[in-house]
Amino acid sequence: GAVVSQHPSWVICKSGTSVKIECRSLDFQATTMFWYRQFPKQSLMLMATSNEGSKATYEQGVEKDKFLINHASLTLSTLTVTSAHPEDSSFYICSAGAGGPGNEQFFGPGTRLTVL
Amino acid sequence: GENVEQHPSTLSVQEGDSAVIKCTYSDSASNYFPWYKQELGKRPQLIIDIRSNVGEKKDQRIAVTLNKTAKHFSLHITETQPEDSAVYFCAQKSGGSYIPTFGRGTSLIVHP
Repeated sequence: GAVVSQHPSWVICKSGTSVKIECRSLDFQATTMFWYRQFPKQSLMLMATSNEGSKATYEQGVEKDKFLINHASLTLSTLTVTSAHPEDSSFYICSAGAGGPGNEQFFGPGTRLTVL
Repeated sequence: GENVEQHPSTLSVQEGDSAVIKCTYSDSASNYFPWYKQELGKRPQLIIDIRSNVGEKKDQRIAVTLNKTAKHFSLHITETQPEDSAVYFCAQKSGGSYIPTFGRGTSLIVHP
């Protein structure tokens, strides 16, 4: 199946700093990627849809100025958590679809963010 | 909008028993129903999926059934093993959409 990677796998940062997370589709091109946040023992919550070459579409309640998304190429999307606070600590997972809508989504391995 | 209800939230079984997880959905345009298994700290992995033109699909010890009239679908795991312990998520997608809607998840614990 298609492979999606994420970097870093975990990061610890101080409150007030910014953290960038990369999501790459390794063996296919993804015009659309998705960013999820998952708190302990909870489901995946879609944060935003990242579109190559255009602005991301954010879900209701997600601050676009805090969670900056850039999808500069067909294989790379980045999520930057700006001015991170302890409540931003979570598991962030990206995904990408191979093929058209209605097809399988492939998830990245996730990034564990801890804000001190 | 789309909504997926998943039950139970926790399921504890003895090794060798069967486990059943059920989901209901509200969007009649839903036509793709994947199930994901997520181990602690890892990515969700697709274990089986079904499309709306099929009523049942089986892959070794795992099966999924779909009742489109009643808008519910279920995951069945037979002869459970300790390594089946994980959180399982159902999801649904409508035609033309990349974005699945996930259920809240079921924590399956298989006791040896």
